Amino acid sequence: EAGVAQSPRYKIIEKRQSVAFWCNPISGHATLYWYQQILGQGPKLLIQFQNNGVVDDSQLPKDRFSAERLKGVDSTLKIQPAKLEDSAVYLCASSRDRSSYEQYFGPGTRLTVT
Amino acid sequence: AQSVTQLDSQVPVFEEAPVELRCNYSSSVSVYLFWYVQYPNQGLQLLLKYLSGSTLVKGINGFEAEFNKSQTSFHLRKPSVHISDTAEYFCAVRAGRSGGSNYKLTFGKGTLLTVNP
Repeated sequence: EAGVAQSPRYKIIEKRQSVAFWCNPISGHATLYWYQQILGQGPKLLIQFQNNGVVDDSQLPKDRFSAERLKGVDSTLKIQPAKLEDSAVYLCASSRDRSSYEQYFGPGTRLTVT
Repeated sequence: AQSVTQLDSQVPVFEEAPVELRCNYSSSVSVYLFWYVQYPNQGLQLLLKYLSGSTLVKGINGFEAEFNKSQTSFHLRKPSVHISDTAEYFCAVRAGRSGGSNYKLTFGKGTLLTVNP
């Protein structure tokens, strides 16, 4: 079974620019997560989708971050405009459903904002 | 809400030595506990989990962990480490089956295990 795919793997942008990340979860997984992992810290949940609906976006900075999962499969996370403090690894994960205890993680996208 | 404290940010050890990575958690409800490993430039991989039952759980790559409810701890151990175990290790917690509908996974800050020859 193919794992969680993410692209790009690396991205360097200047502050105030916009950027988008893409995630393709494991086939059949209803729940999709976006995490932000700042250097030296553990992953922090930004947003959780169940199919194409948002379950939890309480820690998403909604003034600059947005995410969608239109057809309940792929998802995109966008930052506009980016700030220096957005430099981090953005991890996508998926699970069979929201009560499943195991989440499967993609390799992440490393964002550097200069 | 749950929280996780990993007591050591870095643990250097020599090859074939035993290692323990410490994790304490806080929660007002029953919990599920996890250890994940992250190799350089890779995503997180589940090492082991505690859901219920035996408090000693065994995972991949020879790792094990013991759930101690009275001390709210879930320390990770390996009797003999290898160079290839060098990685960052994250302890994580979420509400268990009787803990309501909040399935959010909360991670600790991680422990960098460096195995030296």
